[in-house]
Amino acid sequence: GNSVTQMEGPVTLSEEAFLTINCTYTATGYPSLFWYVQYPGEGLQLLLKATKADDKGSNKGFEATYRKETTSFHLEKGSVQVSDSAVYFCALSDGRDDKIIFGKGTRLHILP
Amino acid sequence: GAVVSQHPSRVICKSGTSVKIECRSLDFQATTMFWYRQFPKQSLMLMATSNEGSKATYEQGVEKDKFLINHASLTLSTLTVTSAHPEDSSFYICSASHTSGGTTDTQYFGPGTRLTVL
Repeated sequence: GNSVTQMEGPVTLSEEAFLTINCTYTATGYPSLFWYVQYPGEGLQLLLKATKADDKGSNKGFEATYRKETTSFHLEKGSVQVSDSAVYFCALSDGRDDKIIFGKGTRLHILP
Repeated sequence: GAVVSQHPSRVICKSGTSVKIECRSLDFQATTMFWYRQFPKQSLMLMATSNEGSKATYEQGVEKDKFLINHASLTLSTLTVTSAHPEDSSFYICSASHTSGGTTDTQYFGPGTRLTVL
């Protein structure tokens, strides 16, 4: 069945460091891929998405590229800020229904 | 953006009691709501999908009689955990969509409810 695997956290970085959170997936067909972010005390928010191979999703300085050959959708940001501290979830939807399959989440701590 | 609230944010109850969790869409009408469960350091697992005015569709392995879902209006869905036991302790998250069935990027998530059953 479909699944999402993302790197375990917590990830702790200093402000302005480069961030990568790895995400790989298993799916039949051509799923859409997502990154969601959950800030402390808030609900999940869609951060970015990509719907087909080689698409790059981007938002708030974050980027992720849909790599079908490696079944990956790694999240990157060139210079993180303290305000980026949150839990990040990689997710997919295979398009047959509206169900989202989530990874376990990666907690990110950014130190000032 | 669209806001979804959940109440309560935390609840502690005794084993054998029932607990009701509310999910509200505050500024839009939600034709579909989803209920998820999240164990510590685990993924969010979809429990059920509910459409306003109809019975919820439960995922395989989720007990319908244990987790009662009601979506009586376009802004409110409730999840009732009946005869709760310690193994039901978890973080419950709802999401709401304002299109029929919804597409994944139009699901708006609530902040979650942490249930602890003693």
